[in-house]
Amino acid sequence: QSVLTQPPSVSAAPGQTVTISCSGRSSNIGNNHVSWYQHLPGTAPTLLIYDNNNRPSGIPDRISGSKSGTSATLAISGLQTGDEADYYCAAWDSSLSGVVFGGGTKLTVL
Amino acid sequence: QVTLRESGPALVKPTQALTLTCTFSGFSLSTSGMCLTWVRQPPGKALEWLALIDWEGDTYYSTSLKTRLTISKDTSKDQVVLTMTNMDPVDTATYFCARIPNVGNYLDYWGQGTLVTVSS
Repeated sequence: QSVLTQPPSVSAAPGQTVTISCSGRSSNIGNNHVSWYQHLPGTAPTLLIYDNNNRPSGIPDRISGSKSGTSATLAISGLQTGDEADYYCAAWDSSLSGVVFGGGTKLTVL
Repeated sequence: QVTLRESGPALVKPTQALTLTCTFSGFSLSTSGMCLTWVRQPPGKALEWLALIDWEGDTYYSTSLKTRLTISKDTSKDQVVLTMTNMDPVDTATYFCARIPNVGNYLDYWGQGTLVTVSS
C-alpha cells in the first residue's frame, strides 16, 4: 500500500477537465511540497508540477496543481488523447525521511 | 543538458546481489542541495522510492528495504551506485535513477530506466 492515496483510475471525454486527488498526512503533504508526474509505459516519468502548483518549462498551463491541508489535486483541462497515462503524486515524508509516492492514477480519455 | 542513464544486469538470480549504476551529466552532485535518488516500478505496479544520496554524502533509505540497500557516489566519475542484496523474484522491476535539486524536493530529471528480472 502506498503512503499517499490516489484513485486508481479517472476518465473524461476529450476537451473536458479531470482532477486527480492525492491524500496524505501531516508528515508528508501537510508540511512538505507536492509534486506530480506523468508516466507512459516504457518511458521515463515526466515532472508536471513541483512545489504544489508550479509548472516546469514546457508543461502547458492547462495542467495545474493545488494543495490544501493534507491533500493535493492535479487538474488537466482541455483533455487530449495524448494525456492518457499514469499520474503519480509524491512528497517528502519527514517522519520516514524519504520520498513517498501515491499508488498512481490511470487517466483514460474516452 | 541534464541526462541520467542506468546500467546493470538485466537478469539476476534469487539470493544474489544487484548492483546498478547511474551515470549522469549536465550537473554536479557536489553542488549544494543536489541529490540523486533511485525509484523502481514492478510490472503493473506503482512507483516505489528506494534510496537517496545528497551532495554531502548523506543517505536516506526506504524503511521497508533499508537493510538490503546501499547507495554511494563517485563524484569524480559522475556516478551513483545502488546495491540491493538478497534479490527475490518480487524485486523484478524497472529501476530508475532521478535527480532531486534539493532534499525534500521534486524529481526533475529521470533516466529511462533499466529492467531487472530476478529468476533462476
